[in-house]
Amino acid sequence: SSELTQDPAVSVALGQTVRITCQGDSLRSYFPSWYQQKPGQAPVLVIYGNNKRPSGISDRFSGSTSGNTASLIITGAQAEDEADYYCNSRDSSGNPALFGGGTKLTVL
Amino acid sequence: QVQLQESGPGLVKPSGTLSLTCAVSGGPISSTNWWTWVRQSPGKGLDWIGEIYHSGNTNYNPSLKSRVTISVDKSKNQFSLKLSSVTAADTAVYYCARARHFDSEGIYYCDYWGQGTLVTVSA
Repeated sequence: SSELTQDPAVSVALGQTVRITCQGDSLRSYFPSWYQQKPGQAPVLVIYGNNKRPSGISDRFSGSTSGNTASLIITGAQAEDEADYYCNSRDSSGNPALFGGGTKLTVL
Repeated sequence: QVQLQESGPGLVKPSGTLSLTCAVSGGPISSTNWWTWVRQSPGKGLDWIGEIYHSGNTNYNPSLKSRVTISVDKSKNQFSLKLSSVTAADTAVYYCARARHFDSEGIYYCDYWGQGTLVTVSA
């Protein structure tokens, strides 16, 4: 199907590890990219390809994929990691590209 | 450092055409990248609109394809979005971004984004 599905909300205790997931058939063919978006700001790329981080992105962020499920993993979550996170990929079934619905991460 | 900046009217009347331009600086638009439009309705998630290559090749979201035109002006190092027959549902922050495709490796991502511009559809 031409969809990427994310949990709407996830919470994590300060300093703990959290996994944000994204499911979709396209993930069998394409690595997802992951974006962090804080209120009133543009999205920022945090993970792309096979677990690659752009320059300047903390090594607390990592990614993994298995079958049709991808995960963004934040190790030792900090208060500044509280944001919305979106996955994104090409779509092998015709829709050129698509985003997941987003996950709101709360750091407790 | 690549920078992108959206510009255009912030208010469009219903049934009219939304027109935005994205100015690219810090690198030529005629590079091996795709140039993308993404929108975000208030309080909602990101919605991929479409993309263009400097050759003029385009890809569009099927749900918007009948109303969307994306074009490129290499002489001005910018690309543009036109969305016709707009309704209140098209009210959103519109972002332009640079996209990179490596299809043989299954890689796609948008690495540089503009700050976004709010377009409101209202009479």
